[in-house]
Amino acid sequence: EIEMTQSPSSLSASVGDRVTITCRASQSVGTYLNWYQQKARKAPQVLIYAASSLESGVPSRFTASGSGTDFTLTIISLQPDDFATYYCQQTYTTPPTFGQGTRLDVK
Amino acid sequence: QVHLVESGGGLVKPGGSLRLSCEASGFPFSDYYMSWIRQAPGKGLEWISDISISGTSINYADSVRGRFIISRDNAKNSLFLQMNSLRDEDTAVYFCAREAAVPGTYNWFDAWGQGALVTVSS
Repeated sequence: EIEMTQSPSSLSASVGDRVTITCRASQSVGTYLNWYQQKARKAPQVLIYAASSLESGVPSRFTASGSGTDFTLTIISLQPDDFATYYCQQTYTTPPTFGQGTRLDVK
Repeated sequence: QVHLVESGGGLVKPGGSLRLSCEASGFPFSDYYMSWIRQAPGKGLEWISDISISGTSINYADSVRGRFIISRDNAKNSLFLQMNSLRDEDTAVYFCAREAAVPGTYNWFDAWGQGALVTVSS
């Protein structure tokens, strides 16, 4: 099973900030890496698939990159709606595994 | 509009059983792989099972293999999870999710239900 590790686990930021979350895989996952946003008491929603492809309807302030074992999700200019928990997920092998999450809250 | 609605959650004693259902609408259900993913209270996401379009290919996480059974009824646009021999650590919100895919390559969960809470406690 591939272990996914996100950093930081929590992050405080302000509206307008540029925020970066990293995700590291315990072995190469190529670009089989997705990012999700989850708001409190809601289901997750996909933001990015295949490491850097923006899901339809997701604002362009979300951008992502990486391959192999190291990936990043960047929010270019944080908006009030972006305070949430973010998860990376690999789908290179079964079982697909998620990072532990990064909680983004208001500074 | 894509819609997934879970039902069947509740309180069950350790060792008991429960069956979750997920009713799909707004898309051709029989064209998609489907998964169950759970989230223990205050914890992260854990994928637990998926099923192919025809139901002939099934995978389970080690944590539930041998206890949970995934199935689907394409005629009724429904996904199921039969949960047996439940343990305290199975307490979680259970989400059904649709798997989007670039055929033969990438896949991701592009639609989720609202979740069904399963509480295992004596």
